[in-house]
Order: sequence, then C-alpha cells, then structure tokens
Amino acid sequence: EIVLTQSPATLSLSPGERATLSCRASQSVRNYLAWYQQKPGQAPRLLIYDASNRAPGIPARFSGSGSGTDFTLTITNLEPEDFAVYYCQQRSIWPPLTFGGGTKVEI
Amino acid sequence: EEQLVESGGGLGQRGGSLRLSCEASGFSFSSYSMHWVRQAPGKGLEWVSFISSGGSTVYYADSVMGRFTISRDNAKNSLHLEMSSLRDEDTAVYYCARDRKYYFDSWGQGILVTVSS
Repeated sequence: EIVLTQSPATLSLSPGERATLSCRASQSVRNYLAWYQQKPGQAPRLLIYDASNRAPGIPARFSGSGSGTDFTLTITNLEPEDFAVYYCQQRSIWPPLTFGGGTKVEI
Repeated sequence: EEQLVESGGGLGQRGGSLRLSCEASGFSFSSYSMHWVRQAPGKGLEWVSFISSGGSTVYYADSVMGRFTISRDNAKNSLHLEMSSLRDEDTAVYYCARDRKYYFDSWGQGILVTVSS
C-alpha cells in the first residue's frame, strides 16, 4: 500500500499570502496524484488531478506540481474561502486508493 | 449539473447490518464507475470500495473486505453499499463519489453511519 505523508499538518497564513503544501509518497506514483479541498461540514472537492491539471471550474490561483514521490500544491493570493483542509490522493498502485492525512490551512 | 444523494445511514448495531444507497442524477450514471469513501469523525478520508460502470469489477479496502458489498442498478441510477458485521471503527460519514480516472470528481453530501452496542 502506498502511504502519502502531508506536511505541514497545519499552515497558519493570512489572506493574500501564498500557501505551499507538500505530499510525499512512500514510493513513486509517477504523476498520478490529485488534490482535494474540504471545508467543514462539506464533501471534498477535486482541485488538481494528474499532479498538475486543474479540475473544471477551479481558479488559476491553485496549482500543482511534482512527480515521482514529491508533490506540491500552491495557492497564490489566498482568498478567505480557501481556508480549509487539503488532501492528496494517489491512483498509481491500487487497490487501495490512498489519501494523505491532510493539511489544514487556517487564518 | 450532476448530483449524488446518499441515504440509508443512521444507527447500526455492532455486528449488525445497514444498507446505504446513492441516487445519481444529471449525468449518464451507467457510463461511470463509482466509489464509496468514508471519513471517521474528525479524521481523514478513507477509500472503501469501487465498482465499474457495468458492475463486473469491484474492489474493496482490506478493512471492509468480506463484510461490505458494493452494487449498482443502472436502470435506477443507484449505487448501494451493503454493510454487515458492523464494527465500532465503521462509524463515519460515507460519501458516494463518481470516478474520473480513479480520482473522485463529484461527491455526494455524505451520510453518517454510527455503530453502537
């Protein structure tokens, strides 16, 4: 099973700042990695798939990069609605599909 | 716009059974594979099960293998999860999710399952 480790666990930032979130895989997942955003009481929302492709309707301030074992989600110019928990997920080797433990972006 | 609506959750007895359903609308349900994903209270996301568009291929997480059964009825645009031998650790919000290349591109609002003695 591929283990995804996200860091940091919590990121404290202000609106307008840049957020840099990390996801590290226990073995190469090539570019088969996605990022999701989850707000309290809501279902997750797909942001990025295949490491760097934005899902439909996702603003350009969200970008993903990386391949192999190290991946980054960058949110430039944080908006108030971006404060949430973010999860990475791999589909390279499955079952099982696995998620990281999440990074909370807080004000 | 695609919509997924879960139902059937609630309180389940330890060792007992529950059946979750997910009604799909706004897209061609029979063309998509589907998943169940769960989230224990205050915890992260855990993939539970997958079913292919025609229902011929299914996969399960080790934690539910042999206890949960995923199925679908394409004529009724519905997805199901039959849960048996319930354990305390099955307590979670359960989401049905549409598959996009083994990612999850559309989610239901989730349904809470609580396992209690």
